[in-house]
Amino acid sequence: EDQVTQSPEALRLQEGESSSLNCSYTVSGLRGLFWYRQDPGKGPEFLFTLYSAGEEKEKERLKATLTKKESFLHITAPKPEDSATYLCAVPNRYNQGGKLIFGQGTELSVKP
Amino acid sequence: GAVVSQHPSRVICKSGTSVKIECRSLDFQATTMFWYRQFPKQSLMLMATSNEGSKATYEQGVEKDKFLINHASLTLSTLTVTSAHPEDSSFYICSARGPSGAYNEQFFGPGTRLTVL
Repeated sequence: EDQVTQSPEALRLQEGESSSLNCSYTVSGLRGLFWYRQDPGKGPEFLFTLYSAGEEKEKERLKATLTKKESFLHITAPKPEDSATYLCAVPNRYNQGGKLIFGQGTELSVKP
Repeated sequence: GAVVSQHPSRVICKSGTSVKIECRSLDFQATTMFWYRQFPKQSLMLMATSNEGSKATYEQGVEKDKFLINHASLTLSTLTVTSAHPEDSSFYICSARGPSGAYNEQFFGPGTRLTVL
């Protein structure tokens, strides 16, 4: 069964304390892995797309990496405004009409 | 680019009434849009896939007669919650498949908070 698992469920950091979020998946024949940021009461905001193992993408304090079984979202020197829930998603193995399978998310809290 | 809007952002209605939510892709054409529901502290739950000019495809367990979806143009999909009841209260979010077509990125609207009294 296609599955996306994110860990940890919640992460509390002090401002400036770097860390990583994990997204592991079991879909075979990966056709992209997507990272989103969701603020409370808002829709998810697209961050990155990764397509092949070894690929890396960066945006400000965020860097996403991809292996054959998992992806990491590295947060370097986070600031309070980075507090949000981070979601990862992959297309299902049959790539049915672009449907995505979402992980449960990691709720990140950055304290000043 | 790839901006999706939703209207209204919040709606409060009485039990038994119907509510329509609009989802628009503002700067690209979206042949495929998706409707999600999200409960507090939970991830997104896909309700249905909406394809322009054809009937929506509903996920298992989603009542198609309660949640009517219309994708009449390449930039607009609507979700109508018919005869709404308090248990339909939730956060509804739409998304559109990205303009590239070949990829599977989805771009999300800001969401609609529905409260049924």
